[in-house]
Amino acid sequence: ILNVEQSPQSLHVQEGDSTNFTCSFPSSNFYALHWYRWETAKSPEALFVMTLNGDEKKKGRISATLNTKEGYSYLYIKGSQPEDSATYLCASNMDSNYQLIWGAGTKLIIKP
Amino acid sequence: ETGVTQTPRHLVMGMTNKKSLKCEQHLGHNAMYWYKQSAKKPLELMFVYNFKEQTENNSVPSRFSPECPNSSHLFLHLHTLQPEDSALYLCASSQTTLSTDTQYFGPGTRLTVL
Repeated sequence: ILNVEQSPQSLHVQEGDSTNFTCSFPSSNFYALHWYRWETAKSPEALFVMTLNGDEKKKGRISATLNTKEGYSYLYIKGSQPEDSATYLCASNMDSNYQLIWGAGTKLIIKP
Repeated sequence: ETGVTQTPRHLVMGMTNKKSLKCEQHLGHNAMYWYKQSAKKPLELMFVYNFKEQTENNSVPSRFSPECPNSSHLFLHLHTLQPEDSALYLCASSQTTLSTDTQYFGPGTRLTVL
């Protein structure tokens, strides 16, 4: 049985502040780590796919790092804006199979 | 994004009803997926189709019946559901079924079973 854990479950951040949250996954047989951003009543939107240990990806003010040896990924948001309010999901593959194992998400609320 | 569309967006049905959820992708992808999301739980994969062939059935009860007539359309037929089947049902597609391929999601159908 393998689990993908995300923490914290929810997070309130003041507009303009930077923040980060964690995705933990089993480090054995790791294949890929996906990050998604999901706004209420919309479709989950892909942010990053990461495969290599030490990998770092960036998209605007959002970046992510990956440590496959210890089994975690961090998502960073610099200078939070109200439009960053969403649930951030991560999911991992333990082999080349398409089956993603999903975390329950971190709900981010940006306070103006 | 209108790459993956789902209809209806909301559905209320009784336990004896038969209804269908529809998903259509306009991305030219070969793989399509049905996921279930119950409140405060992670996404659960239900079915996977690759080139119209079902490649995964994650021990889903037979009251859920998928259909994939072509690579662009995916249906989920529902009959004699239970109240605990109330959830958000998401459809997704990807170019292939490789683990590094991004899955593109529709907005989901919010299903309530009375």
